[in-house]
Amino acid sequence: GENVEQHPSTLSVQEGDSAVIKCTYSDSASNYFPWYKQELGKGPQLIIDIRSNVGEKKDQRIAVTLNKTAKHFSLHITETQPEDSAVYFCAAQNAGGTSYGKLTFGQGTILTVHP
Amino acid sequence: DAGITQSPRHKVTETGTPVTLRCHQTENHRYMYWYRQDPGHGLRLIHYSYGVKDTDKGEVSDGYSVSRSKTEDFLLTLESATSSQTSVYFCAISFTSGRVMNEQFFGPGTRLTVL
Repeated sequence: GENVEQHPSTLSVQEGDSAVIKCTYSDSASNYFPWYKQELGKGPQLIIDIRSNVGEKKDQRIAVTLNKTAKHFSLHITETQPEDSAVYFCAAQNAGGTSYGKLTFGQGTILTVHP
Repeated sequence: DAGITQSPRHKVTETGTPVTLRCHQTENHRYMYWYRQDPGHGLRLIHYSYGVKDTDKGEVSDGYSVSRSKTEDFLLTLESATSSQTSVYFCAISFTSGRVMNEQFFGPGTRLTVL
């Protein structure tokens, strides 16, 4: 089955700096890659996603890049703010066939943005 | 939380007792999932459902069973709770647009402690 590795496990930055979180996946059939943000005591919330027919996607201060050949994808947050502090998860999915939308998650990254 | 409620939100139980967690959605989505979240493991899929009475096992299904007798409810049962099942449990829902799987929306979670 799919295996997703996420690094780093913790990331500490100063407000205004950029943050980058990287994930690798093992199953070449995976074609959908969402990123979730989880605040303390809440469920994960989707912040951005990318499908395998696209190499990069941007939404304001957040961007995701995908390298299908190398089987890795990354989350980039620019101009970080204290409210960006949270746990971030990457995930991979085979969005077609009989996978029924099952997601395989990375281990999570605790991002701390210091004012 | 995208019309998803989980009950109870917190539960403390003793080893060997049965426990049932409930996930209720108001979105009429076809797909429902149960995940558990543990430090260092991200979220791992326990069971999922692709329709009423249609369920299947995920990555960590041992010791768990599920039932879905109507679209809006997905129940997770720990037949005989063990301390290793102490975790935070998340329900998620999703739907398709044509043949494309859409994002998963997560509930607020249930914190279960097995003493």
